[in-house]
Amino acid sequence: KAGVTQTPRYLIKTRGQQVTLSCSPISGHRSVSWYQQTPGQGLQFLFEYFSETQRNKGNFPGRFSGRQFSNSRSEMNVSTLELGDSALYLCASSSYRVSDEQYFGPGTRLTVT
Amino acid sequence: AQTVTQSQPEMSVQEAETVTLSCTYDTSENNYYLFWYKQPPSRQMILVIRQEAYKQQNATENRFSVNFQKAAKSFSLKISDSQLGDTAMYFCAFIVRDDKIIFGKGTRLHILP
Repeated sequence: KAGVTQTPRYLIKTRGQQVTLSCSPISGHRSVSWYQQTPGQGLQFLFEYFSETQRNKGNFPGRFSGRQFSNSRSEMNVSTLELGDSALYLCASSSYRVSDEQYFGPGTRLTVT
Repeated sequence: AQTVTQSQPEMSVQEAETVTLSCTYDTSENNYYLFWYKQPPSRQMILVIRQEAYKQQNATENRFSVNFQKAAKSFSLKISDSQLGDTAMYFCAFIVRDDKIIFGKGTRLHILP
């Protein structure tokens, strides 16, 4: 079974731009979650999608958004990038719930200059 | 608010020794899940152990075991016969069934040859 994949792996953007990150979950997994990892704040939950619906959302501004497609693939979008958005963005999938075993992707390293 | 605290930012032990990583959490809920995740350097995060709060028995996975003390809200991870491949960042995490998952700040563990 193929693991969770994320594209792109690395990204450099300029302040004010927007970015879209993609995540393909393990086949059959319906729950996809996104996380932001920074040295200062650690690992923080962004949002979770299940059956194309956002089921839960962390404490991030509205500039952070996401969606899930019918094949469970998910995208997250960050608009009006700020320097503080530089981080490793991780995607994880699970069969049904976040409380099930989650499988993480390798992450997308976003650098905002 | 629910919180997860890992009091040891960094630890070093000799190969083959036993090491215990501490984790405490705060919640008023009775049914929840606890996790230990491992993030090796430049590699994907993987689940080490998952514990359901209503189960009295401590979870174990080969050399990894937990000491779950529900009344004390403590969830420590014990690694026996530590190996060089155990070098990683370890995150303790907590979730109430369909709520947001919360991670601790992590413990960076170095296994020394």
